[in-house]
Amino acid sequence: GAGVSQSPRYKVAKRGQDVALRCDPISGHVSLFWYQQALGQGPEFLTYFQNEAQLDKSGLPSDRFFAERPEGSVSTLKIQRTQQEDSAVYLCASSSGRTGKTGELFFGEGSRLTVL
Amino acid sequence: DAKTTQPTSMDCAEGRAANLPCNHSTISGNEYVYWYRQIHSQGPQYIIHGLKNNETNEMASLIITEDRKSSTLILPHATLRDTAVYYCIVRVARDWGGSNYKLTFGKGTLLTVNP
Repeated sequence: GAGVSQSPRYKVAKRGQDVALRCDPISGHVSLFWYQQALGQGPEFLTYFQNEAQLDKSGLPSDRFFAERPEGSVSTLKIQRTQQEDSAVYLCASSSGRTGKTGELFFGEGSRLTVL
Repeated sequence: DAKTTQPTSMDCAEGRAANLPCNHSTISGNEYVYWYRQIHSQGPQYIIHGLKNNETNEMASLIITEDRKSSTLILPHATLRDTAVYYCIVRVARDWGGSNYKLTFGKGTLLTVNP
């Protein structure tokens, strides 16, 4: 596609429910990132993939958070047993990981999760 | 990544130049200065980046001081659509295989362009 696509755009979950957020990166992009953005704050790094390999998951706040990218393209961020503090916008970004506009990440519009 | 300091908010009149400052006094020699912006309800968008020379593209200009401890993003003719949070970030540009691939965002500067 032309850009990074995320779905759903909005998700309301009851506390304790599991949610899955999907990211379709730009075709051919090697690197994929997930960020979490709380209201009024800048995005906070969660995890990073290079192709299908999850090279860094240091930003995942707890073991309830799990991300995968099994075929090196689409990625899913799963949150188990959601809590109110998980309410945030979850942003996905991709990058070619090659020369060119080095360091430029292309972000999706985010998935806004509200946990009641 | 080196820490950056930006004003919390700024205002600018439509059609005038918007000059957004950023301090990065602990920047390392191999770290670039990146600017991203985030319009309400959208994901961040890349604007420009530079190492030590001034840079210009179709969106903005980036002026980096000679000692590289601060920089200014210039939007030459601000429009209402430029109202956004602007993030100044420093990082190594090319180390995708190492540990410096992350962009670390601060709180940024909320630029409000007024009619």
